Amino acid sequence: EAGVAQSPRYKIIEKRQSVAFWCNPISGHATLYWYQQILGQGPKLLIQFQNNGVVDDSQLPKDRFSAERLKGVDSTLKIQPAKLEDSAVYLCASSIGQGVFEQYFGPGTRLTVT
Amino acid sequence: DAKTTQPNSMESNEEEPVHLPCNHSTISGTDYIHWYRQLPSQGPEYVIHGLTSNVNNRMASLAIAEDRKSSTLILHRATLRDAAVYYCILRDEGNAGNMLTFGGGTRLMVKP
Repeated sequence: EAGVAQSPRYKIIEKRQSVAFWCNPISGHATLYWYQQILGQGPKLLIQFQNNGVVDDSQLPKDRFSAERLKGVDSTLKIQPAKLEDSAVYLCASSIGQGVFEQYFGPGTRLTVT
Repeated sequence: DAKTTQPNSMESNEEEPVHLPCNHSTISGTDYIHWYRQLPSQGPEYVIHGLTSNVNNRMASLAIAEDRKSSTLILHRATLRDAAVYYCILRDEGNAGNMLTFGGGTRLMVKP
């Protein structure tokens, strides 16, 4: 079974530029999550989708971050414009549903903002 | 969500058992105890979870105190591949969002 796919794996941009990350969850997984992990810290949830609807985006900085999952499968996370403090690893995870189910994580995208 | 407390780091010798503690004194009756680990340069991976009874799987065992205010993740024979950050997380069964709230975790170092 294929795992959660993410691309790109690495990205370096200058502050005020825009960037987008892509995630393809495990087939059949209805729930998709985006986490931000700053160096030395645990991951922090940014947004959660159930199919193509948003369940929780309370920690998403909506003035610069946006995410979509239009067809209820793959998802994109965008930052526009980027700030230095956005340097982090962006992790995508998926699970079968919203219950107490195991979450499967992708390898992440390491973003460096200079 | 109820919080967990874990030591920042622990050290173990290869092929010896490892006991990783977690305190969760404010746990509620519907909170499940989950453990994830994160190997270097990888996303977190699920290890084990439980509610009240001790649990075993191919990766580890989870021992839950009778009052549920603490738990211990047990790796029966540590290997170099087990060097990772281990996160103890409480998840509310009634939380429709099913989100994971990660703390700082315990960095496990395994010596050959």
